[in-house]
Amino acid sequence: EIVLTQSPATLSLSPGERATLSCRASQSVSNYLAWYQQKPGQAPRLLIYDASNRATGFPPRFSGSGSGTDFTLTISSLEPEDFAVYYCQQRYTWLGTFGQGTKVEIK
Amino acid sequence: DVQLVESGGGLIQPGGSLRLSCAASGFTVGSNYMSWVRQAPGKGLECVSVIYSGGSTYYADSVKGRFTISRDGSKNTLYLQMNSLTVDDTALYYCARGHMVGTAGFEYWGQGALVTVSS
Repeated sequence: EIVLTQSPATLSLSPGERATLSCRASQSVSNYLAWYQQKPGQAPRLLIYDASNRATGFPPRFSGSGSGTDFTLTISSLEPEDFAVYYCQQRYTWLGTFGQGTKVEIK
Repeated sequence: DVQLVESGGGLIQPGGSLRLSCAASGFTVGSNYMSWVRQAPGKGLECVSVIYSGGSTYYADSVKGRFTISRDGSKNTLYLQMNSLTVDDTALYYCARGHMVGTAGFEYWGQGALVTVSS
């Protein structure tokens, strides 16, 4: 099983600051990695697919990068609505696995 | 518009069975891969099962042999049959559809069905 490790577990930042979230895979997943945003009481929402493609509805301040085992989600300037939990997920294997999540909270 | 609507959740005793349904609209359930993803209270996401357009199915080790994923094209519905339930199966169960263009990413999600296993 491919294990995804996200860091940090919690990121405390102020609006306007840059957020950098990491997702590391226990073995290569090529570019078969997605990022999701989840707010309390809501279903996850696809943010990035195939490592670097922004999903419909998300603004350009969100960007994804990486391949192989190391991936990064960057939010260039945090808006109030961006404070949420972010998960990465690999689909290199048939079933796919999620990371444990990074909570981006208001400092 | 694509829509996924789960149903069938509820309170069940340990050892019991439950079948979740996910009614799809705006696309055909057999046209792309679909999954059941669960989230225990206050915890992260776990993909428990997936069914591909060709019919292949895969399960997490935690549910293998107890859960069965299936679909009915005539009803355009995805199912998850859950047997021998334990308290560790308590979670919100989402159905999700794969991205039509990309390889990685669930593009659409339902609102979730809550399963509570308790005596």
